[in-house]
Amino acid sequence: NAGVTQTPEFQVLKTGQSMTLQCAQDMNHEYMSWYRQDPGMGLRLIHYSVGAGITDQGEVPNGYNVSRSTTEDFPLRLLSAAPSQTSVYFCASSRTGSREKLFFGSGTQLSVL
Amino acid sequence: GQQVMQIPQYQHVQEGEDFTTYCNSSTTLSTIQWYKQRPGGHPVFLIQLVKSGEVKKQKRLTFQFGEAKKNSSLHITATQTTDVGTYFCAGSGNQFYFGTGTSLTVIP
Repeated sequence: NAGVTQTPEFQVLKTGQSMTLQCAQDMNHEYMSWYRQDPGMGLRLIHYSVGAGITDQGEVPNGYNVSRSTTEDFPLRLLSAAPSQTSVYFCASSRTGSREKLFFGSGTQLSVL
Repeated sequence: GQQVMQIPQYQHVQEGEDFTTYCNSSTTLSTIQWYKQRPGGHPVFLIQLVKSGEVKKQKRLTFQFGEAKKNSSLHITATQTTDVGTYFCAGSGNQFYFGTGTSLTVIP
């Protein structure tokens, strides 16, 4: 049981490049989400999904796309990277939603130059 | 939108001293959860409070949920170096709303 797996662990991009952060969970969780963590700002929700085929925006969705074609996977796409997207990104899942505990992946440290 | 504020942002304590972090929401919360993030790590779930006025203990950690379900606190008695990290509260409505976190440093 791997839990929540995120790849890559580190990534450096140039401004304007695109990339996809991968997230997979093997716990059959319905709820999956992406957060970014910046110093002094806590964890801010980017996008979330309450089940396959359903996604919704969080607090800071601009510049990011998501899809949920399967229960297990929830990739986060940066369409055209900007320096303001330099951050640590965490994927997290829970069994059914916001009243159950979140399991976090180990994070992706992204730098945009 | 919903906001969850947490204070203090930083706290330095001598080993053995007590520590408290406070979490306040602008709206009533369905539940509140607490997470701990060790330096360089990811947040790990500690506990969930559901009922108004609820108090739960985990060894040296005491968690409280306010009567109006708008605030919460985490109190650590006699801190140890293993308590170092950032503590986050997370209120829930239809999503999770994380507080800004309190970074705890314990000086041996």
